[in-house]
Amino acid sequence: GNSVTQMEGPVTLSEEAFLTINCTYTATGYPSLFWYVQYPGEGLQLLLKATKADDKGSNKGFEATYRKETTSFHLEKGSVQVSDSAVYFCALSDGNRDDKIIFGKGTRLHILP
Amino acid sequence: DVKVTQSSRYLVKRTGEKVFLECVQDMDHENMFWYRQDPGLGLRLIYFSYDVKMKEKGDIPEGYSVSREKKERFSLILESASTNQTSMYLCASSLSNWGEDIGTSEQFFGPGTRLTVL
Repeated sequence: GNSVTQMEGPVTLSEEAFLTINCTYTATGYPSLFWYVQYPGEGLQLLLKATKADDKGSNKGFEATYRKETTSFHLEKGSVQVSDSAVYFCALSDGNRDDKIIFGKGTRLHILP
Repeated sequence: DVKVTQSSRYLVKRTGEKVFLECVQDMDHENMFWYRQDPGLGLRLIYFSYDVKMKEKGDIPEGYSVSREKKERFSLILESASTNQTSMYLCASSLSNWGEDIGTSEQFFGPGTRLTVL
């Protein structure tokens, strides 16, 4: 079945460091791919998405490119801030009628000042 | 802005009690979802609904039921709460993209209800 695997956390970085959170997926067909973020005490919110191969999603300085050949959707940011501390979820939607999304287990990110 | 609200942020119940978790969305979304979130397990889908009075089991429906009498409201019911149902419960909603860009529909989440069953 369809699945998402992302790197386990926690990931701890200093402010202004470069961030990569790896995500790979298994899916039949052509899924849409997402990154969601959960700030402390809040629900999840969409960070960025890509709907077809080679698309790049971007938002708030974060980027991820839909790589079909490597079945990956790695999240990157050039210079992280303390306010980026959160849990990040990679996810896919396989396009079925029910619009379900399959989530990875989440990666907790700590940014030190 | 889409708003998804959940009836309580924190809830403490006793084993065997019947528990109702309410979720309301204000953007006329067709789809609504209930997840539970546990450390190390991520989000797991309990039930979802793509229309009024329609419901479908997710990955872990055992011990739960749902009700969708109105489009904007989706209730999760724990018929007899148990300690292993202590968790964070998240509600979400999305537009139906059926027949259009299937699978690109963003889900909007509520703030969550942290339920403790003693």
